[in-house]
Amino acid sequence: GENVEQHPSTLSVQEGDSAVIKCTYSDSASNYFPWYKQELGKRPQLIIDIRSNVGEKKDQRIAVTLNKTAKHFSLHITETQPEDSAVYFCAASSNDYKLSFGAGTTVTVRA
Amino acid sequence: EAEVAQSPRYKITEKSQAVAFWCDPISGHATLYWYRQILGQGPELLVQFQDESVVDDSQLPKDRFSAERLKGVDSTLKIQPAELGDSAMYLCASSLQGREQYFGPGTRLTVT
Repeated sequence: GENVEQHPSTLSVQEGDSAVIKCTYSDSASNYFPWYKQELGKRPQLIIDIRSNVGEKKDQRIAVTLNKTAKHFSLHITETQPEDSAVYFCAASSNDYKLSFGAGTTVTVRA
Repeated sequence: EAEVAQSPRYKITEKSQAVAFWCDPISGHATLYWYRQILGQGPELLVQFQDESVVDDSQLPKDRFSAERLKGVDSTLKIQPAELGDSAMYLCASSLQGREQYFGPGTRLTVT
């Protein structure tokens, strides 16, 4: 099955700086890569996703890049704000639509 | 905005007891998923339904866990008997075929 590794496990950034989270996957058939944000005690919220026919996607302050050859994808958050503090999960799936999640990155934005 | 509903939000039970969780997906979403999330880890898929049919339950501990979606709408996940290691957040998600998965608020289970 698919194995998704996520780094770093924790990330502390100064407000206004950028944050980058990286994930690798093992199954070359994976073609859908979503990112979820989970605040303490709340449901995971889909924040951005990318499909394998696209190399980069941006939505305001967040962007995701995908390198299919290297089997890795990254989340970039620019101009971080305190409300960006949360746990972020990457995931991957193929045409079976079953998501395999990374272990999560706890992001703390320091004011 | 439509959301996935789950109940109860919290459940405390003693080991060897039975426990059940309920999920109501977003209207029109044919695909429903149950995940287990252990504290500090990402969600792990337990079972996937397409309408009323199980698509994948390979990670479901079938000796104690069961899941059903009889009319292809809401779903129930049951554990009997519960064990201490079952303490976790149980998340339900739904999606249109091949589209984004939306999660419910989860049921936090504590087994004592």
